[in-house]
Order: sequence, then C-alpha cells, then structure tokens
Amino acid sequence: NAGVTQTPKFQVLKTGQSMTLQCAQDMNHEYMSWYRQDPGMGLRLIHYSVGAGITDQGEVPNGYNVSRSTTEDFPLRLLSAAPSQTSVYFCASRETGRTNEKLFFGSGTQLSVL
Amino acid sequence: AQTVTQSQPEMSVQEAETVTLSCTYDTSESDYYLFWYKQPPSRQMILVIRQEAYKQQNATENRFSVNFQKAAKSFSLKISDSQLGDAAMYFCAYRSLIYNQGGKLIFGQGTELSVKP
Repeated sequence: NAGVTQTPKFQVLKTGQSMTLQCAQDMNHEYMSWYRQDPGMGLRLIHYSVGAGITDQGEVPNGYNVSRSTTEDFPLRLLSAAPSQTSVYFCASRETGRTNEKLFFGSGTQLSVL
Repeated sequence: AQTVTQSQPEMSVQEAETVTLSCTYDTSESDYYLFWYKQPPSRQMILVIRQEAYKQQNATENRFSVNFQKAAKSFSLKISDSQLGDAAMYFCAYRSLIYNQGGKLIFGQGTELSVKP
C-alpha cells in the first residue's frame, strides 16, 4: 500500500516559471489537501478538496491552482513561481467523516525558487 | 480565527528522562480535535497522539501522553523514558469540526526536541 505519493521530492525553479507538484493516494480518500511548511511558521493550508470536482481555498491560496478530476489525484500548480514560494510542500489525505481523523501525509516536496 | 502557539522553539532532554512540550490554542468553539505530530529529519509527518475536546480523559499512546486543560486551552505533550529516536520537530495542531472550515489543521510553530545520550 503506497499511501500518499508526492513527486518530485526536490525542484529548483527560476522566477516566473510554472510547474505542477503531483500528489496521488491509493486509499480511496475523499479528502485531500496541500500544505506548505516554512521555518518558524508550522504548516499552512493552501487548498483542499472534499471529493472529485470539488476544491476550495485554504489560508494561503494566492499563486496556486488546484483541480480534482479523480479521487486519486490532486495536483498543485504554481502559475508563475516567485521566491516567496520557496518552501516544503506536503500533500495529505484522509477519509471524510468525524471519526476519520488521521491525516496521511506524503513525504514532501522541497521547492526552491531563484 | 483559531490560533495555536508553541512557545518553546527548542527543548532538550537526557535519554531515559521525561520532557514536556507546551502548546496553547485559542478558539471559541466547544468541539474540536487536537493533535501532536512528529517530524524527524526524514521530513515525514507522523501522528503521535490525538485528543477529542469532548473527552475529559487525557489521551495516552505508550510513552506519550497529553495534559489537556480545556478551560485553560492548553494541550501539552509528555514524553516519558525519552529515546534517541524521539529527537525531532514536534508540532501541535488544532482541527475545527465546523463544516465550512474545510477540515484544515492549524499548526503551531513547532518545538525542536533534542535527546542527549
């Protein structure tokens, strides 16, 4: 069981470039989300989805787009990378419902924008 | 809006001793979840323990236990018999149970725990 798989693990971009961070889960989880982790600030929610075709913004959505065409995949797109987007990005998923509280995290993507 | 505060950026403990990591939070809600996550150098986020706000009994998981003080909005993590493998960044997190909050976790700033042999 692979769990939550993120690719790539590391990426370096130049300012203005675009790219997509991939996230896939094989647990049939309805809920998926993207967080960014910055030093001294913990993790902050970028976007989330409660099922295929449904997405919504989190705390820090500016500069990022998401879509959810399948239950398994939840890609995060950087439209025009900026140095402020240098961060570690985590994808996470869980089942919906009050009793399903465990959030499964991917291993993260270290992104540097020069 | 809810906030989570970890006021100890770094902590240190001797192997086999006990250490307590502090966490306070602010919310106007009465029902929510609280979590402690461990992040070792591998960067993986590992759930250590969780507490449901409506439960008065403090959660325990082997060597890990919490002191949940709902009125004081305090949620500390106690690690007993510390081991070298406990060295990591620890994050406290809050989850609202209100539907339109999106099930997001609100994280504290983290506490870096080192374990001395």
